[in-house]
Amino acid sequence: SQTIHQWPATLVQPVGSPLSLECTVEGTSNPNLYWYRQAAGRGLQLLFYSVGIGQISSEVPQNLSASRPQDRQFILSSKKLLLSDSGFYLCARGVGGDTQYFGPGTRLTVL
Amino acid sequence: KQEVTQIPAALSVPEGENLVLNCSFTDSAIYNLQWFRQDPGKGLTSLLLIQSSQREQTSGRLNASLDKSSGRSTLYIAASQPGDSATYLCAVSPNSGYALNFGKGTSLLVTP
Repeated sequence: SQTIHQWPATLVQPVGSPLSLECTVEGTSNPNLYWYRQAAGRGLQLLFYSVGIGQISSEVPQNLSASRPQDRQFILSSKKLLLSDSGFYLCARGVGGDTQYFGPGTRLTVL
Repeated sequence: KQEVTQIPAALSVPEGENLVLNCSFTDSAIYNLQWFRQDPGKGLTSLLLIQSSQREQTSGRLNASLDKSSGRSTLYIAASQPGDSATYLCAVSPNSGYALNFGKGTSLLVTP
């Protein structure tokens, strides 16, 4: 199974509040995991990727952070949300370096 | 920096037409290219993956071609159906295990 779970599905948060989005994956162990954001009018933007537990690489400097506490768990966090953090957040996994499978996404609206 | 461009941004066609979606990329040193489908408010579904050494891939009514040297790929959809309505995204990977660089997508509407 290549199933990817994300929660929550939707979230409305005030500016300045904290954020925690969770992604869990099924299937083979030690997958490459990715966080992407899709903002209105823009393409998918890579935020973070991880090749293993505790190993996080950041692509875009911002007020977001990511953690991988377990092999199949990837968490996206923020201490204080900005309006510009609104978007559709997608978790993905790589398979053998090829096809990436995507989760159902989390719609975040920051007011 | 790799730039991926998709043309057209939006397309509306009557049911039954054959259509072509275009994708171009600026750096030809890619590992593979993928086409995805995204329904409104949903995640992405992989349609076709073409390795850099391949020229095309086919799945049902879909055919994707790759001309790596010219930095182009096309997605051909035969006999379009209303259920094909979605946004189609093209993405390239620079190497195995690397993250994808996406285009902004083509929004397709197939009318009955």
